[in-house]
Amino acid sequence: GAGVSQSPRYKVAKRGQDVALRCDPISGHVSLFWYQQALGQGPEFLTYFQNEAQLDKSGLPSDRFFAERPEGSVSTLKIQRTQQEDSAVYLCASSLVWGAFNSPLHFGNGTRLTVT
Amino acid sequence: KNEVEQSPQNLTAQEGEFITINCSYSVGISALHWLQQHPGGGIVSLFMLSSGKKKHGRLIATINIQEKHSSLHITASHPRDSAVYICAVYSSGTYKYIFGTGTRLKVLA
Repeated sequence: GAGVSQSPRYKVAKRGQDVALRCDPISGHVSLFWYQQALGQGPEFLTYFQNEAQLDKSGLPSDRFFAERPEGSVSTLKIQRTQQEDSAVYLCASSLVWGAFNSPLHFGNGTRLTVT
Repeated sequence: KNEVEQSPQNLTAQEGEFITINCSYSVGISALHWLQQHPGGGIVSLFMLSSGKKKHGRLIATINIQEKHSSLHITASHPRDSAVYICAVYSSGTYKYIFGTGTRLKVLA
């Protein structure tokens, strides 16, 4: 596709429900990042993939959060037993090369999760 | 203290004004991004800098590596420039970006 695509655009979940957020990066992009952005704040790192390998998941706030990228393209961020504090915009970004040092980040439009 | 700090946090300007947004960081970096985020929208990368200055249309970005400081300038501002501008640094030796909290700009017609 032309850009990074995220779905759904909006998700309302009742507390305790499980949710799955999808990211479809630009074709051929090696690096994929998930970020969490609370209202009025900058994005906070959650996890990083290089192809299908999850190299860093240190930003995942709890073991209720799980991310995968099994074939090195589409990624899914899953949140189990959602809590109100999980309400945020979840952003996915990809870049062409590993490390992204000289390769710009391309962001999706995000998924706004509201937990009621 | 945040590793990336932006100022001001909020800025209101009249159409046509020259605008400056500042970013200071405390970590070693390989590159710095200026990003634009519209309400309800995704994030667009405006510039990626590792030294010097870049210009694109009415936007100018500068970086001083020694002083660990970058500025984003908007000349002849327009209401469509209203957005949140975010500074993000690519931390040396890692693959991680560290984001500032953003500067919310509103340009009035």
